[in-house]
Amino acid sequence: KAGVTQTPRYLIKTRGQQVTLSCSPISGHRSVSWYQQTPGQGLQFLFEYFSETQRNKGNFPGRFSGRQFSNSRSEMNVSTLELGDSALYLCASSLSPTSGNTDTQYFGPGTRLTVL
Amino acid sequence: GESVGLHLPTLSVQEGDNSIINCAYSNSASDYFIWYKQESGKGPQFIIDIRSNMDKRQGQRVTVLLNKTVKHLSLQIAATQPGDSAVYFCAENTVTGANSKLTFGKGITLSVRP
Repeated sequence: KAGVTQTPRYLIKTRGQQVTLSCSPISGHRSVSWYQQTPGQGLQFLFEYFSETQRNKGNFPGRFSGRQFSNSRSEMNVSTLELGDSALYLCASSLSPTSGNTDTQYFGPGTRLTVL
Repeated sequence: GESVGLHLPTLSVQEGDNSIINCAYSNSASDYFIWYKQESGKGPQFIIDIRSNMDKRQGQRVTVLLNKTVKHLSLQIAATQPGDSAVYFCAENTVTGANSKLTFGKGITLSVRP
């Protein structure tokens, strides 16, 4: 069974631009969560989607948004990029929503975003 | 507030020795804890998990211990190998109302000396 895939793997943008990242979960997984990883802040939760609905949201500004499609694939978008948005963006999938559940989240390799 | 922290940023061990990585958490309502391993250029990889109603769980060469009294979680790796060199994260399932999310610690680097 294929793991979580993320595209693109690397991305370079300039301040003010917007970016869209894509995540394909493990087959059969319906929950997708997004995380931002930086050396200073570590892994921070962005949001979680299940059945095309956002179920949980972290403490990030409205510039960060996402969506999930009927096939469980998910995209996240960052508008008006800032230098501080440079990070590794990780996607994780699980069978069911994390709410009150202990289903393991499996991570993709991430998308390395650099904002110049 | 809720936080998951690691006691040491780096840990260096001799190949063949046992490794112990420690983690403190602050949310007594957390019901699930996970250890992840992240190698350079890769996403975090699930190692082992433990539910809050357990004290110990063993896997292949790894053991996780949970002490709810002092809110402490540890990962023990037996006979540490060079391939164990990576950053290790503990994470707790944080419950807020009807929703929950994983909160990760900062990460600790394990370096295995040959």
